[in-house]
Amino acid sequence: EAGVAQSPRYKIIEKRQSVAFWCNPISGHATLYWYQQILGQGPKLLIQFQNNGVVDDSQLPKDRFSAERLKGVDSTLKIQPAKLEDSAVYLCASSLDRTGVRTGELFFGEGSRLTVL
Amino acid sequence: QKEVEQNSGPLSVPEGAIASLNCTYSDRVSQSFFWYRQYSGKSPELIMSIYSNGDKEDGRFTAQLNKASQYVSLLIRDSQPSDSATYLCAASPSEYGNKLVFGAGTILRVKS
Repeated sequence: EAGVAQSPRYKIIEKRQSVAFWCNPISGHATLYWYQQILGQGPKLLIQFQNNGVVDDSQLPKDRFSAERLKGVDSTLKIQPAKLEDSAVYLCASSLDRTGVRTGELFFGEGSRLTVL
Repeated sequence: QKEVEQNSGPLSVPEGAIASLNCTYSDRVSQSFFWYRQYSGKSPELIMSIYSNGDKEDGRFTAQLNKASQYVSLLIRDSQPSDSATYLCAASPSEYGNKLVFGAGTILRVKS
């Protein structure tokens, strides 16, 4: 079974530039998450999608970050304009979330490491 | 703000010893709890989940949950050098594990 795919793996940009990250979840997984992990910290949830809809985006800095999930499959996370403090690994994860079934297992992609200079 | 607190470590244990990792959480409505292992430069992977008070064992791993004390722990028996990693504790307000809040992680080093 193919895992969660993310690209690019690494990106270096200047502050105030824009960047986009792409994620393809495991086939059949309804829920998709974007997490931000700053060095030395745990992952912080930015946005959660259930199929096409947004379940939680309370911690997404909406003045600069945007995310979409078209057709309930792939997702794109965009940052515009980037700030120095956006330097982090952006992790995409997906989960099955079958109704009535406890899972709690998020399957993470390898992550996209962003460096803002 | 909902928080999950962990000692950052590093926790150093000799090979074959028991490693004990601890975690506290602030949100009393948390219903499910998870331990993820993250190797350096890699993404987190789930190793244990626990939903009820008490102990849950899986191979060399035992998770312990005390909801009254808002405390979760992970014991690793017969620690191996390959267990050296960062261990992330996570809590969810849902019994289905959605909306995970992660701690900062504890670095474990197992010395051979």
